[in-house]
Amino acid sequence: EVQLVESGGGLVQPGRSLKLSCLASGFTFSNYGMNWIRQAPGKGLEWVASISSSSSYIYYADTVKGRFTISRDNAKNTLYLQMTSLRSEDTALYYCARRVNYGYIRFDYWGQGVMVTVSS
Amino acid sequence: DIQMTQSPSSMSVSLGDRVTITCRASQDIGNYLSWYQQKPEKSPKLMIYGATNLEDGVPSRFSGSRSGSDYSLTINSLESEDTGIYFCLQHKQYPYTFGAGTKLELK
Repeated sequence: EVQLVESGGGLVQPGRSLKLSCLASGFTFSNYGMNWIRQAPGKGLEWVASISSSSSYIYYADTVKGRFTISRDNAKNTLYLQMTSLRSEDTALYYCARRVNYGYIRFDYWGQGVMVTVSS
Repeated sequence: DIQMTQSPSSMSVSLGDRVTITCRASQDIGNYLSWYQQKPEKSPKLMIYGATNLEDGVPSRFSGSRSGSDYSLTINSLESEDTGIYFCLQHKQYPYTFGAGTKLELK
């Protein structure tokens, strides 16, 4: 069974840093691209960052570029999101999602999400 | 960036209704579009990919179609379990962009 379990969220002051993790199981993690997507309270979905299976290709939303860093450790089956210079507008539920690359691209499995609250 | 204009933002529907939700892309995205259903307090669930392909396990009353830059998700004969918020997503180019969502509620 495919599982994605996020962790590392919490309450953090503006300007501080936080690192999210997403532990994958039930599939060959190194064969899939991964993404972070967030959802502010009561709002829609916003794609945040994407990383290819071998970390060769990385992309960010303009809203987080230069502040967030996506990475992965295929030996540990874990995806990361290092968040720095956090702002109140980064407050959201952060999901990791698996990206299927063969055939049509799609996000076929999502984690349960981890909440990040940026507030003084 | 590619803008995805989703409509309507909400719908009040009855059991058995035929429901259509639409996303319009601001640029050509081919068939690089997927649809997701989100229930309260739950993660999004993939419903349709490649604009018209039904994800495994999704009921056949769901279907996707494309007409030019307009992409539609249709639910034939709505069931109570189909309520929730539906989002489209374009993954033709980065940054990937979602539609704003359509909330389906029962009358």
